[in-house]
Amino acid sequence: QVQLQESGPGLVKPSQTLSLTCSVSGGSINRGAYYWTWIRQHPGKGLECIGSTYYSGSTYYNPSLKSRATISIDTSKSQFSLRLTSVTAADTAVYYCARGQEDLVATITYFDYWGQGTLVTVAS
Amino acid sequence: SSELTQDPAVSVALGQTVRITCQGDNLRSYYASWYRQKPGQAPVLVLYGKNTRPSGIPDRFSGSSSGNTVSLTITGAQAEDEADYYCNCRDTTHNHWVFGGGTTLTVL
Repeated sequence: QVQLQESGPGLVKPSQTLSLTCSVSGGSINRGAYYWTWIRQHPGKGLECIGSTYYSGSTYYNPSLKSRATISIDTSKSQFSLRLTSVTAADTAVYYCARGQEDLVATITYFDYWGQGTLVTVAS
Repeated sequence: SSELTQDPAVSVALGQTVRITCQGDNLRSYYASWYRQKPGQAPVLVLYGKNTRPSGIPDRFSGSSSGNTVSLTITGAQAEDEADYYCNCRDTTHNHWVFGGGTTLTVL
């Protein structure tokens, strides 16, 4: 059974950098059909994709966050990470990591495994 | 537009059928996936592709599509189906993934 677990500080000061890591267990992080994704949910709001990475290191970002977000992958540790710079109170949210799968020929994509989520509060 | 639009709220009587819709231009190019989220929990995949349910999802959940609109249908809604439902699709313009705003389903 694949499991994902987010870790990182629950409190970040404004203007600082938010850093989270997602540890993947029970399955390989090294498969081209998987895209490893960070998703956030503001309190009481909907889901927002921040960005994704493949095991090759290729990354894709939500255009609204692209200038502040960096997603990286460490296949040797079976982990991928998120860095979000210059945070404000508007970045307070529950952050989820998730595994995406895709079949480009069949034009099918979906997120089949999710972490439990971690609340990050931006406050001084 | 790369956005996905969902009705904010839908209600259904216990045991009846309800359809939750999602509209967006990218749905013409990619299949949507659907997620159920209960309060305080992570989202759970309930449907993807043409009409595929992950293991453990009851067969009362089904999907359909027409043009730029996809639907999640629950046939014989149960009390445990009360939750927020989100659609998701690949945004081919910006090469990332987009969620709809979510639909809160109330089972009466």
